[in-house]
Amino acid sequence: SQQGEEDPQALSIQEGENATMNCSYKTSINNLQWYRQNSGRGLVHLILIRSNEREKHSGRLRVTLDTSKKSSSLLITASRAADTASYFCATDRGSTLGRLYFGRGTQLTVWP
Amino acid sequence: GAGVSQTPSNKVTEKGKYVELRCDPISGHTALYWYRQSLGQGPEFLIYFQGTGAADDSGLPNDRFFAVRPEGSVSTLKIQRTERGDSAVYLCASSPEENSPLHFGNGTRLTVT
Repeated sequence: SQQGEEDPQALSIQEGENATMNCSYKTSINNLQWYRQNSGRGLVHLILIRSNEREKHSGRLRVTLDTSKKSSSLLITASRAADTASYFCATDRGSTLGRLYFGRGTQLTVWP
Repeated sequence: GAGVSQTPSNKVTEKGKYVELRCDPISGHTALYWYRQSLGQGPEFLIYFQGTGAADDSGLPNDRFFAVRPEGSVSTLKIQRTERGDSAVYLCASSPEENSPLHFGNGTRLTVT
C-alpha cells in the first residue's frame, strides 16, 4: 500500500523557476527520503531527512519536514530542463528494517 | 560493478509461464530489496533480504512469487503461472546496511500477454 501522497501530481514550469513538491504521510517515521526517477530508469536517491531535523540542503535542493503536520516539501531552485523527472517521497513508517513506502510521485516537466 | 544490474531489461511472456528476474547488487551491499512499479504509481515493496535470508517477505502478493539470494549477493525473483496482472516494472535495490538510502537498478519490464 502507498504511504506518501505527493502533491501536485504534475508540475510544469520554465527553466530558471523554482519547483516545489509536497508529500504527506500518515504514520510516525524515523526518516523521510526523496528520490528521482527519469523515464524508463530506476530511482536515484536525492536526500534523506531524519525525524528530528526540520530542514536540509543539498546543492539546489531544499527539503523541509514538519512531523506535527506529517508533511515534507522538496524545493528545487533555478530549475533546468534536465530536472524533468518524477519525484517520489518515501518513509519507513517508523520501522528500522529498511523497508520503504513510496508515494505516487510528482511528474515535473521543466521547459527550456 | 558500478551500480545495481538487472537482467533482462525486458521480458515478454505468455500467461501461465514461469519467469525469473535477476538482480546483481552493488558489491558489499548486504541489504537487497525487490519492488514492483505499475504505470503511474510509486514502487511497491515485495521482499527484503539481509544477507542470504529474507528478513521481510510480507509484500509478496501471493505464493506464485518467490525470491532467493543463496550466497548473499545475486538475487532471483521467480514468478510461477504468470498472470496479466503481473505486468509491471520489477525494481531491485541494494544498500550497505538497513536504513541507508537505496541504490536502484533500472528494472525489468515484465509483460504478460
